[in-house]
Amino acid sequence: AQSVTQPDIHITVSEGASLELRCNYSYGATPYLFWYVQSPGQGLQLLLKYFSGDTLVQGIKGFEAEFKRSQSSFNLRKPSVHWSDAAEYFCAVAPMDSSYKLIFGSGTRLLVRP
Amino acid sequence: EPEVTQTPSHQVTQMGQEVILRCVPISNHLYFYWYRQILGQKVEFLVSFYNNEISEKSEIFDDQFSVERPDGSNFTLKIRSTKLEDSAMYFCASRGATYEQYFGPGTRLTVT
Repeated sequence: AQSVTQPDIHITVSEGASLELRCNYSYGATPYLFWYVQSPGQGLQLLLKYFSGDTLVQGIKGFEAEFKRSQSSFNLRKPSVHWSDAAEYFCAVAPMDSSYKLIFGSGTRLLVRP
Repeated sequence: EPEVTQTPSHQVTQMGQEVILRCVPISNHLYFYWYRQILGQKVEFLVSFYNNEISEKSEIFDDQFSVERPDGSNFTLKIRSTKLEDSAMYFCASRGATYEQYFGPGTRLTVT
């Protein structure tokens, strides 16, 4: 079955520490891949996207993500977390055999310790 | 920077009533979407819309739901007879020729 998995429901890191949020997908072909961030009571903001080419993509706010085809993963990373990064992070895929609708993972809530 | 807007930000309605949620997509975008997020759950696709017709819909999008682009700027989602389980945050999104979607701030629908 087609699915997007974010195995970590919550992650807590200290400010200044590095961060990695995991995302795995299960689709027949490599879909387009995205990370969105949602602050409390806010909409979804696009952090970064992968369509093709270089497997390491840079996004806004100092985030990057690496696509690994062999692992069907698209993990989000940041070398040094700021307190303002506390939010919920959603991995999403857009299957190419559809209207490019987004299929979201269940999200990872990031908490940042001072 | 262009953005997607949605009105109202919060709508409270009684069960069985009709509601219309409104969205103004980014002006040069051609593909429009509605998603919903029940409190504490993941964001779910409802429907996609292109060239004045539905291009794809999910199982959630039953006969109680409809979408319309009544003019050149608005994109609406109508729920004909709301149920308690329709309470959720509804997000509109749009995209241009590339594949990334831009989301509005959402409308929180509360059905009592």
